[in-house]
Amino acid sequence: GDSVTQMEGPVTLSEEAFLTINCTYTATGYPSLFWYVQYPGEGLQLLLKATKADDKGSNKGFEATYRKETTSFHLEKGSVQVSDSAVYFCALSPAGNNRKLIWGLGTSLAVNP
Amino acid sequence: DAGITQSPRHKVTETGTPVTLRCHQTENHRYMYWYRQDPGHGLRLIHYSYGVKDTDKGEVSDGYSVSRSKTEDFLLTLESATSSQTSVYFCAIRPPGQGTSGNTIYFGEGSWLTVV
Repeated sequence: GDSVTQMEGPVTLSEEAFLTINCTYTATGYPSLFWYVQYPGEGLQLLLKATKADDKGSNKGFEATYRKETTSFHLEKGSVQVSDSAVYFCALSPAGNNRKLIWGLGTSLAVNP
Repeated sequence: DAGITQSPRHKVTETGTPVTLRCHQTENHRYMYWYRQDPGHGLRLIHYSYGVKDTDKGEVSDGYSVSRSKTEDFLLTLESATSSQTSVYFCAIRPPGQGTSGNTIYFGEGSWLTVV
């Protein structure tokens, strides 16, 4: 069945460092792909999404490119801030079933000043 | 602001007691979801609803029931709470009109439940 695999955390970085959080998926066809972020004590918020191959989603300095050939949707940011400390979730919506979301386990990011 | 309110936000209850969590939305969206979040398991879908009185089970529905008598309210009930149901519970809504372009959902702020 469809699945999402994220790199395990926690990830600890210094402020202004480059961030990559890996996400790979297994799915048939062309699913839609998402990154959600959860700040401490809050619910999840949509960070960015991509709905077809080679699309790049971007928001708040974060980017992720939908790579069909490598079935990946890695999250990147060029210069992280302390305020980016959160848990990041990769998710997919299967092709032809837009009522369903399949979630990765989340990757915790801590950014130190 | 997605217009989702969960209540209670925090609750401690005893094993064997019934507990009801409420999710209220101001947007009148059809689709509503209940998830639980646990370390090492990520988010797991408990139940979802696609309209008034239309509900279906998710992947971890055992021990939970739901009701949706009004569009704006989606209730999650633990009939007899157990310690394994200690968790953070999130309600979510899915706006319409997304077609095949994705399945963006919006979350409430969570309800922390501890069963002792």
